Amino acid sequence: DAGVIQSPRHEVTEMGQEVTLRCKPISGHNSLFWYRQTMMRGLELLIYFNNNVPIDDSGMPEDRFSAKMPNASFSTLKIQPSEPRDSAVYFCASSLAGLNTEAFFGQGTRLTVV
Amino acid sequence: AQSVTQLGSHVSVSEGALVLLRCNYSSSVPPYLFWYVQYPNQGLQLLLKYTTGATLVKGINGFEAEFKKSETSFHLTKPSAHMSDAAEYFCAVTNSGNTPLVFGKGTRLSVIA
Repeated sequence: DAGVIQSPRHEVTEMGQEVTLRCKPISGHNSLFWYRQTMMRGLELLIYFNNNVPIDDSGMPEDRFSAKMPNASFSTLKIQPSEPRDSAVYFCASSLAGLNTEAFFGQGTRLTVV
Repeated sequence: AQSVTQLGSHVSVSEGALVLLRCNYSSSVPPYLFWYVQYPNQGLQLLLKYTTGATLVKGINGFEAEFKKSETSFHLTKPSAHMSDAAEYFCAVTNSGNTPLVFGKGTRLSVIA
């Protein structure tokens, strides 16, 4: 398996623009997580899905952030409109829930909002 | 609520010296504990995990960690540091296989030649 695949790896956008981050989890995994990493706050959980259903989105910072998982092999994290404080590395991770297995992480998307 | 505290945001050791990275957790139920490593511009990679059973857990690259319930700790050790161990290390906790990991702030390990 190719692991968790995220795209793009780098994104530079202007303030106010819409940004969409994409994630393909490992085939067969039924849980998917979006994390954000910054120097100040470390790794923060934004939202997670079990069997394509959002379970907890309390970590989503504002209404500007939204996430979807239309099927088991694809998820998106959208920021609209983007702001400079959204600049961070966004990670997607997947796991096989219920079997005490670890989360497997993608390479991350480095977002810079100017 | 669960939480993880990693003591020391930056640890520096000489090549060949003992590596000790500290992790304390808070959990109201038996925890599942993990150590991940992150190399520059990379995602997180699992080093080792504790779920049940033996409290001394061995992982990749010569690392091991011991779960001590009485101390609520899960410190990571390696007998002899190598230059390639320089990276960021994260301790994480969860209480089941269905809930997300809660991460500590991370400890950056530097290895001096």
